[in-house]
Amino acid sequence: EPEVTQTPSHQVTQMGQEVILRCVPISNHLYFYWYRQILGQKVEFLVSFYNNEISEKSEIFDDQFSVERPDGSNFTLKIRSTKLEDSAMYFCASRDTGGRLFFGSGTQLSVL
Amino acid sequence: RKEVEQDPGPFNVPEGATVAFNCTYSNSASQSFFWYRQDCRKEPKLLMSVYSSGNEDGRFTAQLNRASQYISLLIRDSKLSDSATYLCVVSLIGGGSYIPTFGRGTSLIVHP
Repeated sequence: EPEVTQTPSHQVTQMGQEVILRCVPISNHLYFYWYRQILGQKVEFLVSFYNNEISEKSEIFDDQFSVERPDGSNFTLKIRSTKLEDSAMYFCASRDTGGRLFFGSGTQLSVL
Repeated sequence: RKEVEQDPGPFNVPEGATVAFNCTYSNSASQSFFWYRQDCRKEPKLLMSVYSSGNEDGRFTAQLNRASQYISLLIRDSKLSDSATYLCVVSLIGGGSYIPTFGRGTSLIVHP
């Protein structure tokens, strides 16, 4: 069964450093998403991506965040200068034509 | 007003019990509805879509009430393995965007 894969599973970084989280969506899906979940809180929408451009973004997704699909398979989330409050689980998802989201297993980001 | 609201629980039930969760949503133009299941520190996994006429998948039944803007999930004959957090997801489609929005989730604990 096709699945969304994310790497790394854990990322520890110092405040102010850049991080890149990677995702390989399901190959025949066209819509991709990044969500985050701070421990004990709800799953929050960050950004959606379609046809090689951002289609929607939330207030959380400020200038420190960017997304790319550099090579037709990988979908990356970059945080330019991490803050302590960026510590969270980051989930990538791709969406099928029925509107259903399929998630990767997430990257746990810890900013020290 | 929160977009998607759920009773956080926890619902603590014995094996074999029937349990029901509700979820309310604020935007009457919402068009797609889903229930996801999330185990501790794991990614959300699709449990079932929710259709206007209601739908059933084994022990799970989902209902949609558009007039009152809520969806429900009924679990019959609860198993220990049903212990998880159940996430209500509501999507609005419009202007080319489709953003699945998550509730905080309802925690279910099934005990022997």
